[in-house]
Amino acid sequence: DAGVIQSPRHEVTEMGQEVTLRCKPISGHNSLFWYRQTMMRGLELLIYFNNNVPIDDSGMPEDRFSAKMPNASFSTLKIQPSEPRDSAVYFCASSPSAYGYTFGSGTRLTVV
Amino acid sequence: DQQVKQNSPSLSVQEGRISILNCDYTNSMFDYFLWYKKYPAEGPTFLISISSIKDKNEDGRFTVFLNKSAKHLSLHIVPSQPGDSAVYFCAASYTDKLIFGTGTRLQVFP
Repeated sequence: DAGVIQSPRHEVTEMGQEVTLRCKPISGHNSLFWYRQTMMRGLELLIYFNNNVPIDDSGMPEDRFSAKMPNASFSTLKIQPSEPRDSAVYFCASSPSAYGYTFGSGTRLTVV
Repeated sequence: DQQVKQNSPSLSVQEGRISILNCDYTNSMFDYFLWYKKYPAEGPTFLISISSIKDKNEDGRFTVFLNKSAKHLSLHIVPSQPGDSAVYFCAASYTDKLIFGTGTRLQVFP
């Protein structure tokens, strides 16, 4: 079991550019979560999917953020256009239940 | 609106002594509480949990205490070891999503 796989590990982009973060959940896990880690707010839940369907996106900061899960083995988080305040570590997690979260190693995003 | 709060951003403890990490929450609907541990450049990993029907859960050196009336939980690590140095996140759940606190950085020194 390779765990939750996120790519890229690091992303540096210029303000205004589109950024796409990718996640491959653990096979058999039917829930997928996107979190953002910042010093001020800790781990913020952005959006989560259950059986590939978005259930709660109330944590998405604004319309510049969007997330998709076209199938059970892949999800993307897109920021367009990116801004310096989006700089953070973005984590993907998957779970077979409400409590058994497994996190990926994260993507460190820097917007300059 | 931070529903789960960890008011101590950092804690420094000597090896062998007890580490106590605290967490407060505001939503009385939370029914399950967890602690996660995070090393640099890695994702958080599950450490220990407690259901709202209990007030204590122990796993080796780690014990979590829950005080529902005070909406407070704590993590005790005894004895603390240098390898325990990490960021610890408290989390709470009442549906199928986890709400995390801001984290406490624990440093255990020799």
